[in-house]
Amino acid sequence: EPEVTQTPSHQVTQMGQEVILRCVPISNHLYFYWYRQILGQKVEFLVSFYNNEISEKSEIFDDQFSVERPDGSNFTLKIRSTKLEDSAMYFCASSEGQGDDGYTFGSGTRLTVV
Amino acid sequence: SQQGEEDPQALSIQEGENATMNCSYKTSINNLQWYRQNSGRGLVHLILIRSNEREKHSGRLRVTLDTSKKSSSLLITASRAADTASYFCATARIQGGKLIFGQGTELSVKP
Repeated sequence: EPEVTQTPSHQVTQMGQEVILRCVPISNHLYFYWYRQILGQKVEFLVSFYNNEISEKSEIFDDQFSVERPDGSNFTLKIRSTKLEDSAMYFCASSEGQGDDGYTFGSGTRLTVV
Repeated sequence: SQQGEEDPQALSIQEGENATMNCSYKTSINNLQWYRQNSGRGLVHLILIRSNEREKHSGRLRVTLDTSKKSSSLLITASRAADTASYFCATARIQGGKLIFGQGTELSVKP
């Protein structure tokens, strides 16, 4: 069964450093997303991406965040200058945008900012 | 309450029993989805129900949607220990749009 692949599974970074989280969505999917889940809290939407541009973003997704689809397969989330409160599980997801299959989520990247 | 609120927050049952989880939301939706999350793992899509559907089945899962009450329920029949996980409802206002998740119901199925 097709999967959304995320790397790395766990990243530890110093406060103020830049991190790039990587995702390979399912190849025939058209919509791509990033979500995050702070420990013990609900899953929060960050950004959606369609047709090579951001289609929607949340208040969380400020100037410190950016997304890119540098080639036909990867979808990245960059955090420019990490803060302690950025520590969370980050999930990438993709969807066809139609049909009943819902969204396929990756296994997540656990980001720890120290 | 916020969009996509589940209740109960926690549910503990014996293997073989049925588990029912409820979800309420506030705004109009295109579809509502249920996801499962095992501890520290990713989200697994279980079932999607569209705003013009009232009930849907998938194996041991049964989902209902009442758009007049802005609520949904997920029923897991004949539960197994392997069903132990957190269950989240998530709503999308447009097809392919962002999902808004609830806080989830933590289900524990005891063997």
